Amino acid sequence: SQTIHQWPATLVQPVGSPLSLECTVEGTSNPNLYWYRQAAGRGLQLLFYSVGIGQISSEVPQNLSASRPQDRQFILSSKKLLLSDSGFYLCAWSKMGGSNQPQHFGDGTRLSIL
Amino acid sequence: GESVGLHLPTLSVQEGDNSIINCAYSNSASDYFIWYKQESGKGPQFIIDIRSNMDKRQGQRVTVLLNKTVKHLSLQIAATQPGDSAVYFCAENMSAGNMLTFGGGTRLMVKP
Repeated sequence: SQTIHQWPATLVQPVGSPLSLECTVEGTSNPNLYWYRQAAGRGLQLLFYSVGIGQISSEVPQNLSASRPQDRQFILSSKKLLLSDSGFYLCAWSKMGGSNQPQHFGDGTRLSIL
Repeated sequence: GESVGLHLPTLSVQEGDNSIINCAYSNSASDYFIWYKQESGKGPQFIIDIRSNMDKRQGQRVTVLLNKTVKHLSLQIAATQPGDSAVYFCAENMSAGNMLTFGGGTRLMVKP
């Protein structure tokens, strides 16, 4: 069966520091991968998605970036964190190809910026 | 895109009662819909999905109803249990790809 892992589960970082959040998927090949941010008490905002290695699409302008160095690895990064980057970051995967596929989520990373 | 909402609507039900959570979607061209359950501190968990060529689909203790005429989706939970307490999100697929747009969520509270 497929599983998705995110780490770390929680992270506290100072303003201006760099960020690297990692997400890996097991049990499937060529997945679509997604990064979302969820503010407290709100829905999910899509940040990035990827349909293959090295292929990243950004949904909103921000100081975050994403990379996909391997088929089942998706990384969310920042060179300099802002206070507004605080939130709950979720990674998700779906089967490649075709529409009408559910996305499956990891358990997220709660990021607090001080 | 981001769902807009300053607070989550809350549905409070008695244990054992049936729950109905509603969602209005925005795009008449959407052809795929999903319900997710999110418990505190965890990622959303897939519950059930439905394609636009159907108006009802049943799972274990859950039923999703789709009314395309009024662009309305509902999730019915039978015999609600304390473990059903969570935030529930609907999501729609508005494109030929696999991009989902999420609703703002509804908090379900189950009273013992």
